[in-house]
Amino acid sequence: AQRVTQPEKLLSVFKGAPVELKCNYSYSGSPELFWYVQYSRQRLQLLLRHISRESIKGFTADLNKGETSFHLKKPFAQEEDSAMYYCALRGGAQKLVFGQGTRLTINP
Amino acid sequence: EAGVVQSPRYKIIEKKQPVAFWCNPISGHNTLYWYLQNLGQGPELLIRYENEEAVDDSQLPKDRFSAERLKGVDSTLKIQPAELGDSAVYLCASSLEGKATEAFFGQGTRLTVV
Repeated sequence: AQRVTQPEKLLSVFKGAPVELKCNYSYSGSPELFWYVQYSRQRLQLLLRHISRESIKGFTADLNKGETSFHLKKPFAQEEDSAMYYCALRGGAQKLVFGQGTRLTINP
Repeated sequence: EAGVVQSPRYKIIEKKQPVAFWCNPISGHNTLYWYLQNLGQGPELLIRYENEEAVDDSQLPKDRFSAERLKGVDSTLKIQPAELGDSAVYLCASSLEGKATEAFFGQGTRLTVV
């Protein structure tokens, strides 16, 4: 079974502080992991995917197969990072499973 | 390009009434998803289409929900009859077939059942 767990529903940090949004997954095969973001009043959109190993808007995420984690990190938070963040997993088929989401608030 | 288009954006209906949502995916995307998103929750898959075939509808409550994707392009999701607990956002997404392809989401339809 595919499952994604985001243990924090809410996360609040100050501007300029480091951010880490946790994501753990359960899948027996080789997963594809994604982070999606939803800014206020906007549609859900892709932030980054593990296969690209890219940094988007200063965010990075490393797939750790040993710990079955795909945590999202940013060294210095900005106010515009405030949003809902969803970790998602795609298994062998095209099924895309989402975590419950973490609401990130960046305080000035 | 407009992206994934959903309509209506908002719908308020009385319980026991029928309701339908429409989705137009991105041109060329053969995979189409319908998700249910309850308040404070992540999207939960209802049904996934590959072209016109529903390949995963295990989470679709078939007693009251139905979906179709005639001709493998647009899709309609229907609820009949609606219940109070169906109040949620219904999201449509589409993607290309294949690995490591991202899904693009529509704006969603916010359904309120009163």
